[in-house]
Amino acid sequence: ELKVEQNPLFLSMQEGKNYTIYCNYSTTSDRLYWYRQDPGKSLESLFVLLSNGAVKQEGRLMASLDTKARLSTLHITAAVHDLSATYFCAVDGDYGGSQGNLIFGKGTKLSVKP
Amino acid sequence: DTGVSQDPRHKITKRGQNVTFRCDPISEHNRLYWYRQTLGQGPEFLTYFQNEAQLEKSRLLSDRFSAERPKGSFSTLEIQRTEQGDSAMYLCASRLTGGNEQFFGPGTRLTVL
Repeated sequence: ELKVEQNPLFLSMQEGKNYTIYCNYSTTSDRLYWYRQDPGKSLESLFVLLSNGAVKQEGRLMASLDTKARLSTLHITAAVHDLSATYFCAVDGDYGGSQGNLIFGKGTKLSVKP
Repeated sequence: DTGVSQDPRHKITKRGQNVTFRCDPISEHNRLYWYRQTLGQGPEFLTYFQNEAQLEKSRLLSDRFSAERPKGSFSTLEIQRTEQGDSAMYLCASRLTGGNEQFFGPGTRLTVL
């Protein structure tokens, strides 16, 4: 069974600090997705990582993908309160993504405090 | 607004009633997905359509659930004889075949009393 595991599940950070969220997955998929979800809201796409070694950055967030280790990281630099949200990683439910349904981790609930 | 839209945004119903949700995907996106998200969990795949054809159904989609996409544009998800365990956020997403990104709608939050 395909599994996507995130850790930590809960993260309380102080503003200005750095931290990393980890996403491990059990499939051989070479595509990985990061989404952000605010309370009561839908999912906002942050990054789509398409190949081994891919690195993408947007503002204070940087995502990377190591398909050999089946690991993706989401690094937060100098956190600010506006980053407080739940972050999900996801992989394609079938190798090659011909169907495109996503398998999600349980999410990491990030709280950034002053 | 050219994003994915869903209607209604909230639905409260009594156990045993039937409910129907609608999803309008991004125009020209031929793939449409339904997910369910319960509190504190990630979204779980329910079913997907390529144009009007329903190509995959999760084991989560019991026989009380039915989805349609009659003209390959909007889709409906119906739940018959709702149960309290059906309370969740129902998310719709769309994607172009061969596209790398899946875009989510705002969701329909269902509460079964």
